[in-house]
Amino acid sequence: QKEVEQNSGPLSVPEGAIASLNCTYSDRGSQSFFWYRQYSGKSPELIMFIYSNGDKEDGRFTAQLNKASQYVSLLIRDSQPSDSATYLCAARRSGAGSYQLTFGKGTKLSVIP
Amino acid sequence: GAVVSQHPSWVICKSGTSVKIECRSLDFQATTMFWYRQFPKQSLMLMATSNEGSKATYEQGVEKDKFLINHASLTLSTLTVTSAHPEDSSFYICSAPAGGPRDEQYFGPGTRLTVL
Repeated sequence: QKEVEQNSGPLSVPEGAIASLNCTYSDRGSQSFFWYRQYSGKSPELIMFIYSNGDKEDGRFTAQLNKASQYVSLLIRDSQPSDSATYLCAARRSGAGSYQLTFGKGTKLSVIP
Repeated sequence: GAVVSQHPSWVICKSGTSVKIECRSLDFQATTMFWYRQFPKQSLMLMATSNEGSKATYEQGVEKDKFLINHASLTLSTLTVTSAHPEDSSFYICSAPAGGPRDEQYFGPGTRLTVL
């Protein structure tokens, strides 16, 4: 059973702080990892993807991947109230035509003004 | 990022009627699209994989005769909820891989279905 696990939260951080969202996966065949943000009542929006061990930075967001530990994280620096949403972690196997994502259940983030 | 549209954005129907939801990739072609369902405060649940030119692949527990999927072209997939009942009321979302470096998937805005 391929699983992606996330702490459901809610994770509360004060405005301006760093929010750290974590995700573990069970399928060692997973090669690509994605972070989506979902506001209440809206569909998921892709924030970042990562496929190499280490860090990948994009603006206030940093994704971290450790394949040995089967661990993915998303850091949000200078958190803003507008970052309050549910963050979904997803994993994908490699291989031609292998597009299907396995999603975690999401972590709800609340940024307190 | 790539753009995926859905129509309608919301629909209210009577029990027993059928509802068709369209998913379009606007600036790219998609041989594969995915249909998800999300109940309030719950996570995304993959219903089926829509394949252009062939039959859809349904996840376990999803009735293929109730949720008809047609991938008519490289930019259009439709989901028809047949004989809808109140328990089918949900948020239906499609997604498609956009052919980027990691075939990252983009989601449509979703369709909120309410069955009275």
